[in-house]
Amino acid sequence: EAQVTQNPRYLITVTGKKLTVTCSQNMNHEYMSWYRQDPGLGLRQIYYSMNVEVTDKGDVPEGYKVSRKEKRNFPLILESPSPNQTSLYFCATGQGAYEQYFGPGTRLTVT
Amino acid sequence: QKEVEQNSGPLSVPEGAIASLNCTYSDRGSQSFFWYRQYSGKSPELIMSIYSNGDKEDGRFTAQLNKASQYVSLLIRDSQPSDSATYLCAVNMRAGSYQLTFGKGTKLSVIP
Repeated sequence: EAQVTQNPRYLITVTGKKLTVTCSQNMNHEYMSWYRQDPGLGLRQIYYSMNVEVTDKGDVPEGYKVSRKEKRNFPLILESPSPNQTSLYFCATGQGAYEQYFGPGTRLTVT
Repeated sequence: QKEVEQNSGPLSVPEGAIASLNCTYSDRGSQSFFWYRQYSGKSPELIMSIYSNGDKEDGRFTAQLNKASQYVSLLIRDSQPSDSATYLCAVNMRAGSYQLTFGKGTKLSVIP
């Protein structure tokens, strides 16, 4: 079954404690991306990757890091989380005619 | 600033009616357009894509694109309560790129 998986699905953490949200896909898609979704602000892109070892900033990259060492994985790293990074995070993948497919989401709370 | 605009709603329609969702975008050079459906607390689900002017039909869904007016719409025929969700319009504004700019979504409520 074609799918995008994210872990963890829910996370409550404290300010400054480094965390990683994983994203994995089994569709052999070249494109992967991270979004955050906040009430009233909609979906905003954090980082994206066109292929292995190729990443670039989206609209709201501050406070986040990513890496793409393998085609199937695209982890999102928060080195020092702050309360304003409390949000719903989605990983997405894409191939072909620019369609993107979203993972189930990770709800992060930073206290 | 490249933008995608949608009426936030809520848009309420009776069961069986046609729901009409609208979206405008700022970049005249945009090439690819998508509609996503998002149920509360769930991830966006791609339901339609459209790339050329005119209508594209898929079951009860019809996407309409007018590049001259920078306008894209989604019609849902025979609306069902299960169609109640937020509908996101997304536009690819950079040729050769996967980057999407999303509208903030229109919340649709189908009343039984």
